[in-house]
Amino acid sequence: QVQLQQSGAELVKPGSSVKISCKASGYTFTSYDMHWIKQQPGNGLEWIGWIYPGNGNTKYNQKFNGKATLTADKSSSTAYMQLSSLTSEDSAVYFCARGAYSGDVDYWGQGVMVTVSS
Amino acid sequence: DIVLTQSPALAVSLGQRATISCRASQSVSTSSYNLMHWYQQKPGQQPKLLIYDASNLASSIPARFSGSGSGTDFTLTINPVQADDIATYYCQQSRELHTFGAGTKLELK
Repeated sequence: QVQLQQSGAELVKPGSSVKISCKASGYTFTSYDMHWIKQQPGNGLEWIGWIYPGNGNTKYNQKFNGKATLTADKSSSTAYMQLSSLTSEDSAVYFCARGAYSGDVDYWGQGVMVTVSS
Repeated sequence: DIVLTQSPALAVSLGQRATISCRASQSVSTSSYNLMHWYQQKPGQQPKLLIYDASNLASSIPARFSGSGSGTDFTLTINPVQADDIATYYCQQSRELHTFGAGTKLELK
């Protein structure tokens, strides 16, 4: 069965960077987009971008250009998102999710809570 | 950017019909597909795909959920509403990049 296992919660300092992971199993990792979505506490969902692990192509929400960097390691079926120059506005739960044919996302990771605090 | 507008909340009685709407700032339909999708999210959980391409039921989703619409106006219907359906519902478009609506919180009347 399809599973997306994300890394654990992070407590990071303002101005620093963090890299979170999403390990995929149960399907061919290189054949599907991997999306990343942000959810601030009590708020809705915000699309960050996607990566196609098959060739490394990426597409970002313009708002996250320079903030988020998406990569993927085919050998370990793991997708990564690095967030840089962190501020309190980056405190949120971050989900990875598999992209399906029409651009819907059909499987989601459990989410990673990133807290930015000094 | 395509903006999706949802009502913040909807109060419904158990066993009744719930109709949740989503309006897009421009068409999200192509000649072949209506690129609007619906998700359910309960507190502390990841979202779950309910409906894709406006009207197709995702795997393992009960038939009391249905979707309709095209162009800029879309609807998610739950009939009849069960206690387990109390959650927040999001629409999402994939016509131009991806955006989500702000969510509609389904509450008990």
